[in-house]
Amino acid sequence: EIVLTQSPGTLSLSPGERATLSCRASQSVSSNYLAWYQQKPGQAPRLLISGASSRATGISDRFSGSGSGTDFTLTISRLEPEDFAVYYCQQSGDSPWTFGQGTKVEIK
Amino acid sequence: QVQLQESGPGLVKPSETLSLTCTVSGGSISTYSWSWIRQPPGKGLEWIGYIYYSGETNYNPSLKSRVTISIDTSKKQFSLQLSSVTAADTAVYYCARGRTYFPHWGQGTLVTVSS
Repeated sequence: EIVLTQSPGTLSLSPGERATLSCRASQSVSSNYLAWYQQKPGQAPRLLISGASSRATGISDRFSGSGSGTDFTLTISRLEPEDFAVYYCQQSGDSPWTFGQGTKVEIK
Repeated sequence: QVQLQESGPGLVKPSETLSLTCTVSGGSISTYSWSWIRQPPGKGLEWIGYIYYSGETNYNPSLKSRVTISIDTSKKQFSLQLSSVTAADTAVYYCARGRTYFPHWGQGTLVTVSS
């Protein structure tokens, strides 16, 4: 199975700063079947990005995804207070679908 | 806007079968795939499997011997059964719409495995 490794584990930033989250796959993720989710405490995950770079419906353009093959990045251009949460990447290029272990973006 | 709601027992005894149902409202259950995903307390997400409205399924091999996902399009429901549960199966179980990625999720339901 494809193992997704997210880094860093925790990112401590201030509102207004730029956040760069990494997701590295143990083997190439075909057809860019790579998605990103945001999860806040007590809530279900929310889809942000699919196909590595396509924003989901209603998602702010502050969120952008990039990458291909084994290296993918989620960028939040200017952190708003509501962006502090845990972020997961997920691949569905090869069964079983797998998630990364998550990156927590916390207020510095 | 499609909405999903999980239902089922919150407590299951070890070695028994966990059974959950997801009810879909605000949209069609046909022409889509429907998935189950779980999250142990304080941990990350694990994909369990999906079912297409036609009945085709795909399960995580790590759970395949114990998992059954079924669908009842007339009731707009799909279900998860996980047999021979242990404490390691304690988790929040989410139902979601989608096969390769998940734009719509239920709120999740905590299932605790304990005697």
